[in-house]
Amino acid sequence: DAGVIQSPRHEVTEMGQEVTLRCKPISGHNSLFWYRQTMMRGLELLIYFNNNVPIDDSGMPEDRFSAKMPNASFSTLKIQPSEPRDSAVYFCASSLYAGGPFRNEQFFGPGTRLTVL
Amino acid sequence: DQQVKQNSPSLSVQEGRISILNCDYTNSMFDYFLWYKKYPAEGPTFLISISSIKDKNEDGRFTVFLNKSAKHLSLHIVPSQPGDSAVYFCAASGGSKLTFGTGTRLQVTL
Repeated sequence: DAGVIQSPRHEVTEMGQEVTLRCKPISGHNSLFWYRQTMMRGLELLIYFNNNVPIDDSGMPEDRFSAKMPNASFSTLKIQPSEPRDSAVYFCASSLYAGGPFRNEQFFGPGTRLTVL
Repeated sequence: DQQVKQNSPSLSVQEGRISILNCDYTNSMFDYFLWYKKYPAEGPTFLISISSIKDKNEDGRFTVFLNKSAKHLSLHIVPSQPGDSAVYFCAASGGSKLTFGTGTRLQVTL
């Protein structure tokens, strides 16, 4: 298995532009997570899906952020409009839900480094 | 408010010695704890976990200790190897979400 795939690996954009990050989870996994990593706050959970349904989006910082999972093999995280403070590394992770999504190992993708100028 | 704290941003240890990485948490509802390891330009990878019903879990060179009364856990690596050089994240779960610390960068020197 190729593991969790994220694209792009790096994104540089200007303030106000729309940014779309993409994720392909590991085949067979039914839970998908979007995280953001910053120096100050470490890894923060933004949203997670179970069986393609958003379960908890309380970590999404504001309405400029949205996430979708149209099918079991694809998810997007969109920022519109982007701001310099959104600059961070965004990780997607997947796992197999078995009695609780936070009791099982999560497999992370390599991340997307986003820079908003 | 950081509910999971890793107060040492970095640690340097000589090869062959013990590495001890510490983590403190504030939420008494946390009942499951994990350690992840991260190399540059890669995503974190799971290392070891412990349930709150235990106070120790061992896997090869890696041992995690949990002190619930002190709300403290630690990861011991014995013996430390150069390939262990990475950022280590502590994470805690109360069932609803996984909360990560800010990480500790471990450097194992020759």
